[in-house]
Amino acid sequence: DAGVIQSPRHEVTEMGQEVTLRCKPISGHNSLFWYRQTMMRGLELLIYFNNNVPIDDSGMPEDRFSAKMPNASFSTLKIQPSEPRDSAVYFCASSSGGSYNSPLHFGNGTRLTVT
Amino acid sequence: DQQVKQNSPSLSVQEGRISILNCDYTNSMFDYFLWYKKYPAEGPTFLISISSIKDKNEDGRFTVFLNKSAKHLSLHIVPSQPGDSAVYFCAASAPGNQFYFGTGTSLTVIP
Repeated sequence: DAGVIQSPRHEVTEMGQEVTLRCKPISGHNSLFWYRQTMMRGLELLIYFNNNVPIDDSGMPEDRFSAKMPNASFSTLKIQPSEPRDSAVYFCASSSGGSYNSPLHFGNGTRLTVT
Repeated sequence: DQQVKQNSPSLSVQEGRISILNCDYTNSMFDYFLWYKKYPAEGPTFLISISSIKDKNEDGRFTVFLNKSAKHLSLHIVPSQPGDSAVYFCAASAPGNQFYFGTGTSLTVIP
């Protein structure tokens, strides 16, 4: 299996621009998670989906952030407009069974830099 | 508020010795705990887990210990190898809930 695939690996953009991060989960996994990693807060959950339905988006920082999962094999995280404080590594992860005790499988992340 | 805490940002250990990474949590509802390992420019990879019905789980050189009364878990790596140098995250979850991660501990194993 190819694992969780994220694109792009790196994104550099100017403040105010729209940014879209993409994720393809492992085939057969029915839960998908978006995390953000920062030095201060470690890995923070932004939003997670179960069977393509958003279950908990309480971690989304503000209305500038939105996420979609139109089908079982694709999800996007969009930031519009982007700000320098959004600079971080964003990880997508998936798991099987939708159970809280199924380990997450992470992609290699997207490093976002907003100047 | 951090529900899972790793108070040591970094740890250095000689090759062949034991590495002990610690993690504390505040939510008594957590009953499933995991450790992840992360190399630079890669995503975290699952290492080992433990449920609250156990106090120890072992997988090769890696052992996780859980002390529920103290709300504390630790990861022991014996013997430590240079390839173990990475950032280690602990995580916890409760039924019907998400995973909460610590801020990570950077382990350096000195050859």
